[in-house]
Amino acid sequence: AQTVTQSQPEMSVQEAETVTLSCTYDTSESDYYLFWYKQPPSRQMILVIRQEAYKQQNATENRFSVNFQKAAKSFSLKISDSQLGDAAMYFCAYRSAAPGAQKLVFGQGTRLTINP
Amino acid sequence: DTEVTQTPKHLVMGMTNKKSLKCEQHMGHRAMYWYKQKAKKPPELMFVYSYEKLSINESVPSRFSPECPNSSLLNLHLHALQPEDSALYLCASSQDSSLDTQYFGPGTRLTVL
Repeated sequence: AQTVTQSQPEMSVQEAETVTLSCTYDTSESDYYLFWYKQPPSRQMILVIRQEAYKQQNATENRFSVNFQKAAKSFSLKISDSQLGDAAMYFCAYRSAAPGAQKLVFGQGTRLTINP
Repeated sequence: DTEVTQTPKHLVMGMTNKKSLKCEQHMGHRAMYWYKQKAKKPPELMFVYSYEKLSINESVPSRFSPECPNSSLLNLHLHALQPEDSALYLCASSQDSSLDTQYFGPGTRLTVL
């Protein structure tokens, strides 16, 4: 079974600085998807970024980018120019690309605080 | 538009009550999901509907009964719940259950007294 590990329960960063959230995963599959979701105090899970394992190029979305290291099974999220609105719980998630695969496997989350 | 709506936002019920949670999406998605999330924990999958048929039940107690009346609507019927069932219940949808990103609704905060 696949597992996802987020080793940093809490992180904090000064506004406008850069922060990196770590995520590692364990799988024997070669094709899969990885996600970062953000859950602010409003509770809604918001997709931040998605990475397909077959793509070597790291995904980016504005101030958010990932460092995907397939051999190391690592998928970290970098947030540049941190803003107060980035404060949230961040979950890393894995989903198999096998036919019929429907389950997201989540890490335990990292709570990110932005200091003004 | 990637909007999934859920009603009600908050629900308080007694252990003998029957209530329902509602989830709706108008993105043409064919897969819909129910998750349960306890405080400071990740969401846990409960049920998956794919093309209006139940495809996954993660061994959820029968006091939770899902229903998918049409491709846009997903209900979760609650009966005889326990206080430990108090949690945030999240609905999600995706274009196709195996290929696409899941988009989440804002959740229903359930308290069982």
